[in-house]
Amino acid sequence: DTEVTQTPKHLVMGMTNKKSLKCEQHMGHRAMYWYKQKAKKPPELMFVYSYEKLSINESVPSRFSPECPNSSLLNLHLHALQPEDSALYLCASSQDPLAGGYETQYFGPGTRLLVL
Amino acid sequence: RKEVEQDPGPFNVPEGATVAFNCTYSNSASQSFFWYRQDCRKEPKLLMSVYSSGNEDGRFTAQLNRASQYISLLIRDSKLSDSATYLCVVTPPTDSWGKLQFGAGTQVVVTP
Repeated sequence: DTEVTQTPKHLVMGMTNKKSLKCEQHMGHRAMYWYKQKAKKPPELMFVYSYEKLSINESVPSRFSPECPNSSLLNLHLHALQPEDSALYLCASSQDPLAGGYETQYFGPGTRLLVL
Repeated sequence: RKEVEQDPGPFNVPEGATVAFNCTYSNSASQSFFWYRQDCRKEPKLLMSVYSSGNEDGRFTAQLNRASQYISLLIRDSKLSDSATYLCVVTPPTDSWGKLQFGAGTQVVVTP
């Protein structure tokens, strides 16, 4: 079963709000990812966690704060977002970071975020 | 030059016909290659990995040409449900682990 779940499916927030996106996988994968996708564009990598440690931050603004409480869960905390942050936020996971460059990533259904 | 390039399409394909399209990549040291499909407002879903020997999964055939640095996808006997955007995805060399390189996608529209 290659399932990654994400909640909520949709989120509307104001620029002063604080909210969190959640991602969960039970495939035993040890790498988890956050991506941002705008309409008609490919996903853009934001963060990578490998064995619950942040290994890649693609110069993401600090209003996005990732957290990996355990190997199955990944959160993205949002604070003081801008309207241009409205997008589909995708979580993904892959099996074993130590396997090198051969990892298949499996995506969750995403959270569609609208910032007003 | 983009790292991964695709013809954005759309490829308008009559139901039952065959469609093929390519993707080129710039880094000859790229490790792994995949085709994902993405339906409108949905997540990318793995369609197939692409191997040097070529591989087939039902009506879908993928090929990798390392010498010319491109991969291809061929869809035979197209179904209406094949309408989607097909993303070419490349894994860079291992020192860039985790950073998948995405093409912009090729849109396929299968018409009755």
